[in-house]
Amino acid sequence: GIQVEQSPPDLILQEGANSTLRCNFSDSVNNLQWFHQNPWGQLINLFYIPSGTKQNGRLSATTVATERYSLLYISSSQTTDSGVYFCAVDRSGGFKTIFGAGTRLFVKA
Amino acid sequence: NAGVTQTPKFQVLKTGQSMTLQCAQDMNHEYMSWYRQDPGMGLRLIHYSVGAGITDQGEVPNGYNVSRSTTEDFPLRLLSAAPSQTSVYFCASSYGWSSTDTQYFGPGTRLTVL
Repeated sequence: GIQVEQSPPDLILQEGANSTLRCNFSDSVNNLQWFHQNPWGQLINLFYIPSGTKQNGRLSATTVATERYSLLYISSSQTTDSGVYFCAVDRSGGFKTIFGAGTRLFVKA
Repeated sequence: NAGVTQTPKFQVLKTGQSMTLQCAQDMNHEYMSWYRQDPGMGLRLIHYSVGAGITDQGEVPNGYNVSRSTTEDFPLRLLSAAPSQTSVYFCASSYGWSSTDTQYFGPGTRLTVL
């Protein structure tokens, strides 16, 4: 099956710093999503981005489908950005979604 | 709207016991799914449903049953709990099963099997 690899596995930032999280996937996909899981466990969908670039406030994401990777950019990080960021893909056009292992982010005040 | 709700929040079982994790949504979503999350890992799909009366298996379905008698509810049944089923369980829903539909997740149920 399709493999999803995220890097780095862990990241510590000083508040105000910028960061880039990467998601590599091993085969073509119909759908790619980025999620944030906060320290209390709640999962929030950030982006649906099978290709191209999207921005939402301080967050933006780019997926290069032909090269099988996606990047999540966090600018001017805040302590509330802490948590785990997951990349998830599916190939079927439905929701047999495969998640990566995540990038654990801690933003220090 | 309450969104996606899950009960209980925490549960401890003994090996061999059975139980049902409840999931409900009030957004009239057709698509619902169950995931498990193990420490240091992403979520893995257990079962999903594309509408009342229709269910299918995900990546890790063994040891779990589901049914979908109404649009609102999608319970997950553990038939005979095993320590390997210790995990956090998330239910999710979305309006449709198109790749453009946003998934909404419940708060999770933390299950420990002794």
